[in-house]
Amino acid sequence: RKEVEQDPGPFNVPEGATVAFNCTYSNSASQSFFWYRQDCRKEPKLLMSVYSSGNEDGRFTAQLNRASQYISLLIRDSKLSDSATYLCVVNSRAGANNLFFGTGTRLTVIP
Amino acid sequence: DAGITQSPRHKVTETGTPVTLRCHQTENHRYMYWYRQDPGHGLRLIHYSYGVKDTDKGEVSDGYSVSRSKTEDFLLTLESATSSQTSVYFCAIVGEGGNQPQHFGDGTRLSIL
Repeated sequence: RKEVEQDPGPFNVPEGATVAFNCTYSNSASQSFFWYRQDCRKEPKLLMSVYSSGNEDGRFTAQLNRASQYISLLIRDSKLSDSATYLCVVNSRAGANNLFFGTGTRLTVIP
Repeated sequence: DAGITQSPRHKVTETGTPVTLRCHQTENHRYMYWYRQDPGHGLRLIHYSYGVKDTDKGEVSDGYSVSRSKTEDFLLTLESATSSQTSVYFCAIVGEGGNQPQHFGDGTRLSIL
């Protein structure tokens, strides 16, 4: 079983739409959770950390459900520039810097 | 952007040749990582380092070795490259303290013919 599982998509949405990505993780000892964004042929870049109480950064909202071992990312008012692959990332155990990466969900925002 | 650079950015070589990729950081961070990224697999950890001369294996370490003789440099070596090692290689660093995100270099595209 993979440590982190994501729907690979692709998700094709019109500009202005709201889109949600989900991710599940298998290790209940994981304590840190992140969403990364990766553009085609580029390196992954940190989009946001995910906190237990949920957190928001502009049009982006991240949620964590520890009981179900589930993480989500909501993007409101999608922009063309949001087109990318979104990676769900968890750490291996409490306090660890080693991370497990999902294979990513591909998003294309259409004009 | 995190002070991390990878070299070379692109390399094409032949099966059986040795290849060394370099990761250089200016952040003085202790932890450094090497990943490979392939379609359908996402990022997979090859080796990581938690200090000078301190390294450990990751998920896909077979066929790879690493060295860290100084804080700023982490080298990844393919002793005898094979076509299955054609991939995009990323180096990452992470700040001090647990539960931190990692920050990546620009990547190296390696093709083994």
